[in-house]
Amino acid sequence: DAGITQSPRYKITETGRQVTLMCHQTWSHSYMFWYRQDLGHGLRLIYYSAAADITDKGEVPDGYVVSRSKTENFPLTLESATRSQTSVYFCASQGLFYEQYFGPGTRLTVT
Amino acid sequence: GENVEQHPSTLSVQEGDSAVIKCTYSDSASNYFPWYKQELGKGPQLIIDIRSNVGEKKDQRIAVTLNKTAKHFSLHITETQPEDSAVYFCAASNFGNEKLTFGTGTRLTIIP
Repeated sequence: DAGITQSPRYKITETGRQVTLMCHQTWSHSYMFWYRQDLGHGLRLIYYSAAADITDKGEVPDGYVVSRSKTENFPLTLESATRSQTSVYFCASQGLFYEQYFGPGTRLTVT
Repeated sequence: GENVEQHPSTLSVQEGDSAVIKCTYSDSASNYFPWYKQELGKGPQLIIDIRSNVGEKKDQRIAVTLNKTAKHFSLHITETQPEDSAVYFCAASNFGNEKLTFGTGTRLTIIP
Protein backbone atom coordinates (compact mmCIF):
# COMPACT_ATOMS: atom_id res chain seq x y z
CA ASP A 1 0.00 0.00 0.00
CA ALA A 2 1.26 3.43 -0.86
CA GLY A 3 1.65 5.98 1.89
CA ILE A 4 2.98 6.04 5.41
CA THR A 5 2.28 3.30 7.93
CA GLN A 6 3.05 2.79 11.59
CA SER A 7 3.19 -0.33 13.72
CA PRO A 8 2.02 -1.32 16.15
CA ARG A 9 -1.11 0.82 16.39
CA TYR A 10 -1.46 0.12 20.09
CA LYS A 11 1.15 -0.95 22.61
CA ILE A 12 1.14 -1.50 26.35
CA THR A 13 4.51 -1.94 28.02
CA GLU A 14 5.98 -1.84 31.49
CA THR A 15 8.30 0.74 32.97
CA GLY A 16 11.93 -0.02 32.16
CA ARG A 17 11.23 -2.09 29.06
CA GLN A 18 12.61 -1.28 25.64
CA VAL A 19 10.05 -0.71 22.92
CA THR A 20 10.43 0.13 19.25
CA LEU A 21 7.84 1.91 17.14
CA MET A 22 8.06 1.36 13.41
CA CYS A 23 7.44 3.79 10.58
CA HIS A 24 7.48 3.01 6.87
CA GLN A 25 6.85 5.27 3.86
CA THR A 26 6.61 4.33 0.21
CA TRP A 27 7.23 7.73 -1.39
CA SER A 28 11.04 7.80 -0.99
CA HIS A 29 10.74 11.13 0.83
CA SER A 30 14.05 12.34 2.20
CA TYR A 31 12.78 13.95 5.40
CA MET A 32 11.01 11.96 8.11
CA PHE A 33 9.85 13.02 11.57
CA TRP A 34 8.68 11.61 14.88
CA TYR A 35 6.20 13.55 17.01
CA ARG A 36 4.43 12.87 20.25
CA GLN A 37 0.97 14.22 20.92
CA ASP A 38 -0.18 15.00 24.44
CA LEU A 39 -3.23 16.90 25.62
CA GLY A 40 -2.43 20.58 25.99
CA HIS A 41 0.86 20.32 24.12
CA GLY A 42 -0.18 19.71 20.57
CA LEU A 43 2.46 17.93 18.49
CA ARG A 44 6.05 18.06 19.68
CA LEU A 45 8.99 16.98 17.57
CA ILE A 46 11.13 14.20 19.04
CA TYR A 47 13.63 13.46 16.25
CA TYR A 48 13.88 13.99 12.54
CA SER A 49 15.97 12.68 9.68
CA ALA A 50 17.10 14.41 6.50
CA ALA A 51 18.17 11.19 4.76
CA ALA A 52 19.44 7.70 5.49
CA ASP A 53 22.05 7.82 8.25
CA ILE A 54 21.34 11.49 9.02
CA THR A 55 19.28 12.21 12.14
CA ASP A 56 18.91 15.15 14.50
CA LYS A 57 17.18 16.02 17.74
CA GLY A 58 13.91 17.85 17.97
CA GLU A 59 12.24 19.58 20.89
CA VAL A 60 11.85 16.56 23.23
CA PRO A 61 14.51 13.91 22.39
CA ASP A 62 15.43 12.69 25.88
CA GLY A 63 14.76 8.99 26.40
CA TYR A 64 14.41 8.23 22.70
CA VAL A 65 16.75 6.81 20.07
CA VAL A 66 16.28 6.76 16.30
CA SER A 67 18.03 5.17 13.37
CA ARG A 68 17.59 5.33 9.63
CA SER A 69 19.49 2.73 7.66
CA LYS A 70 17.01 2.83 4.74
CA THR A 71 15.19 5.81 3.29
CA GLU A 72 11.77 4.21 3.75
CA ASN A 73 12.09 3.24 7.43
CA PHE A 74 12.50 5.39 10.51
CA PRO A 75 12.11 3.42 13.76
CA LEU A 76 11.83 5.11 17.16
CA THR A 77 13.12 3.27 20.23
CA LEU A 78 12.38 3.96 23.85
CA GLU A 79 15.39 2.38 25.53
CA SER A 80 13.88 2.24 29.03
CA ALA A 81 10.24 3.28 28.96
CA THR A 82 8.88 5.63 31.62
CA ARG A 83 5.27 6.55 32.45
CA SER A 84 5.89 10.07 31.14
CA GLN A 85 6.37 8.52 27.69
CA THR A 86 2.75 7.40 27.61
CA SER A 87 1.50 9.26 24.55
CA VAL A 88 0.34 9.00 20.97
CA TYR A 89 3.28 8.89 18.57
CA PHE A 90 3.07 10.07 14.98
CA CYS A 91 5.54 9.56 12.19
CA ALA A 92 5.55 11.89 9.19
CA SER A 93 7.41 12.36 5.94
CA GLN A 94 7.87 15.53 3.94
CA GLY A 95 6.90 15.99 0.31
CA LEU A 96 8.45 18.14 -2.37
CA PHE A 97 6.67 21.34 -1.31
CA TYR A 98 7.38 21.10 2.44
CA GLU A 99 4.01 19.49 3.17
CA GLN A 100 4.14 16.76 5.81
CA TYR A 101 2.18 13.53 5.59
CA PHE A 102 1.34 11.82 8.83
CA GLY A 103 0.90 8.17 9.67
CA PRO A 104 -2.10 6.87 11.64
CA GLY A 105 -0.26 6.97 14.97
CA THR A 106 0.77 4.53 17.71
CA ARG A 107 -0.94 4.79 21.09
CA LEU A 108 1.64 3.79 23.69
CA THR A 109 0.81 3.15 27.34
CA VAL A 110 3.59 2.62 29.87
CA THR A 111 2.41 0.99 33.10
CA GLY B 1 13.17 29.03 18.56
CA GLU B 2 9.73 29.45 17.05
CA ASN B 3 6.67 29.66 19.29
CA VAL B 4 3.15 29.30 17.89
CA GLU B 5 0.06 30.22 19.88
CA GLN B 6 -3.40 29.12 18.78
CA HIS B 7 -6.84 30.37 19.84
CA PRO B 8 -9.43 29.38 20.77
CA SER B 9 -8.80 25.93 22.21
CA THR B 10 -12.44 24.97 21.67
CA LEU B 11 -15.02 26.38 19.28
CA SER B 12 -18.65 25.47 18.71
CA VAL B 13 -20.57 26.86 15.77
CA GLN B 14 -23.99 26.26 14.30
CA GLU B 15 -24.05 24.28 11.08
CA GLY B 16 -23.90 26.68 8.15
CA ASP B 17 -22.14 29.42 10.10
CA SER B 18 -18.47 30.37 9.73
CA ALA B 19 -15.59 29.38 11.99
CA VAL B 20 -12.34 31.28 12.48
CA ILE B 21 -9.22 29.99 14.21
CA LYS B 22 -6.27 32.29 14.84
CA CYS B 23 -2.55 31.70 15.33
CA THR B 24 0.39 33.94 16.13
CA TYR B 25 4.05 33.13 15.66
CA SER B 26 7.23 34.59 17.08
CA ASP B 27 9.98 34.03 14.49
CA SER B 28 9.92 36.67 11.78
CA ALA B 29 11.94 34.31 9.56
CA SER B 30 9.02 31.87 9.32
CA ASN B 31 7.57 31.74 5.82
CA TYR B 32 5.51 28.56 5.60
CA PHE B 33 2.19 28.17 7.47
CA PRO B 34 0.21 24.95 7.08
CA TRP B 35 -3.08 23.96 8.69
CA TYR B 36 -3.87 20.38 9.64
CA LYS B 37 -7.16 18.68 10.45
CA GLN B 38 -7.17 15.71 12.79
CA GLU B 39 -10.18 13.45 13.07
CA LEU B 40 -10.64 11.14 16.01
CA GLY B 41 -8.20 8.24 15.98
CA LYS B 42 -6.35 9.45 12.89
CA GLY B 43 -3.18 11.31 12.05
CA PRO B 44 -3.24 15.01 11.14
CA GLN B 45 -4.01 15.75 7.51
CA LEU B 46 -2.89 18.87 5.65
CA ILE B 47 -5.91 20.90 4.51
CA ILE B 48 -4.33 24.13 3.31
CA ASP B 49 -1.06 26.01 3.55
CA ILE B 50 0.21 29.48 2.76
CA ARG B 51 3.61 30.89 2.00
CA SER B 52 4.79 34.34 3.02
CA ASN B 53 4.63 35.79 -0.47
CA VAL B 54 0.86 35.37 -0.40
CA GLY B 55 -1.64 37.20 1.83
CA GLU B 56 -4.63 34.93 1.32
CA LYS B 57 -5.38 31.54 -0.15
CA LYS B 58 -8.73 29.84 -0.72
CA ASP B 59 -9.79 26.29 -1.40
CA GLN B 60 -13.56 25.92 -1.69
CA ARG B 61 -14.97 26.58 1.83
CA ILE B 62 -11.57 26.98 3.45
CA ALA B 63 -9.36 30.07 3.40
CA VAL B 64 -6.22 31.12 5.18
CA THR B 65 -5.01 34.69 5.67
CA LEU B 66 -1.53 35.81 6.65
CA ASN B 67 -0.40 39.10 8.16
CA LYS B 68 3.41 39.03 8.27
CA THR B 69 3.68 42.44 9.89
CA ALA B 70 1.58 41.37 12.85
CA LYS B 71 2.90 37.79 12.71
CA HIS B 72 -0.47 36.12 12.69
CA PHE B 73 -2.45 33.88 10.38
CA SER B 74 -5.99 32.59 10.47
CA LEU B 75 -8.10 29.71 9.16
CA HIS B 76 -11.60 30.52 7.95
CA ILE B 77 -14.19 27.82 7.29
CA THR B 78 -17.43 28.99 5.71
CA GLU B 79 -20.78 27.17 5.47
CA THR B 80 -19.68 24.69 8.10
CA GLN B 81 -20.87 21.09 7.90
CA PRO B 82 -20.93 18.27 10.47
CA GLU B 83 -17.88 16.67 8.85
CA ASP B 84 -15.86 19.78 9.70
CA SER B 85 -15.94 18.69 13.35
CA ALA B 86 -12.33 17.83 14.24
CA VAL B 87 -9.22 19.22 15.90
CA TYR B 88 -7.35 21.79 13.81
CA PHE B 89 -3.67 22.61 14.19
CA CYS B 90 -1.72 25.52 12.79
CA ALA B 91 2.04 25.34 12.29
CA ALA B 92 4.96 27.45 11.16
CA SER B 93 8.43 26.92 9.73
CA ASN B 94 10.87 28.49 7.33
CA PHE B 95 12.24 26.99 4.16
CA GLY B 96 15.66 25.55 4.84
CA ASN B 97 14.57 24.54 8.33
CA GLU B 98 12.17 21.68 7.78
CA LYS B 99 11.00 21.49 11.38
CA LEU B 100 7.39 22.50 11.91
CA THR B 101 6.32 24.15 15.16
CA PHE B 102 2.68 23.41 15.94
CA GLY B 103 0.04 25.29 17.85
CA THR B 104 -1.80 23.45 20.63
CA GLY B 105 -4.91 22.81 18.54
CA THR B 106 -8.55 23.90 18.36
CA ARG B 107 -11.38 21.45 18.84
CA LEU B 108 -14.12 22.54 16.45
CA THR B 109 -17.63 21.21 17.00
CA ILE B 110 -20.37 21.83 14.45
CA ILE B 111 -23.82 21.87 16.03
CA PRO B 112 -26.51 20.42 13.70
